[in-house]
Amino acid sequence: NAGVMQNPRHLVRRRGQEARLRCSPMKGHSHVYWYRQLPEEGLKFMVYLQKENIIDESGMPKERFSAEFPKEGPSILRIQQVVRGDSAAYFCASAGQVEETQYFGPGTRLLVL
Amino acid sequence: TQLLEQSPQFLSIQEGENLTVYCNSSSVFSSLQWYRQEPGEGPVLLVTVVTGGEVKKLKRLTFQFGDARKDSSLHITAAQTGDTGLYLCAGPGLGGSRLTFGEGTQLTVNP
Repeated sequence: NAGVMQNPRHLVRRRGQEARLRCSPMKGHSHVYWYRQLPEEGLKFMVYLQKENIIDESGMPKERFSAEFPKEGPSILRIQQVVRGDSAAYFCASAGQVEETQYFGPGTRLLVL
Repeated sequence: TQLLEQSPQFLSIQEGENLTVYCNSSSVFSSLQWYRQEPGEGPVLLVTVVTGGEVKKLKRLTFQFGDARKDSSLHITAAQTGDTGLYLCAGPGLGGSRLTFGEGTQLTVNP
């Protein structure tokens, strides 16, 4: 029973490039959450999605960041024109139902040079 | 805005000692969760406490939820080096979906 999968585990980008982070939820889970963990800080909520719908994106920066969870395939967090301040660990979590336990993936560590 | 404050931020102890980590808020939470995170990995759920006053035990770990559901504690008895890690408390935000996390307690257990 595979857990939440994220890839890549590590991603290096130069300033101005695009970063695409992928998350495959646990089998049977249709709720996906993205969190960001900056160095020396706790996890901060970014966005909550269900299949084909963004439910809550109140934690996501208004510019350059977008997320999707298509009917088929993984959820994608996309960061356009990355800047050094985007360097962080990005975690995806999934749940079977809203308010149920969220299970986290291993994260993608993004480094912007 | 619901905030969770954890203390202490850092804790370094010797193997065999006992310790307590605290998670406090001025807001009421319907539940609180404790996670442990190791370097390079994602948070792993340890326990969820739901009822005010609830106490849950997981081997040498004891979790307590305050009567008013505004605070929680994690007590570790006879700590081992394998307990080293970042301990995070988290609670569901308004609407019950996203989690609000504390800043974490970095525990180091020395041999």
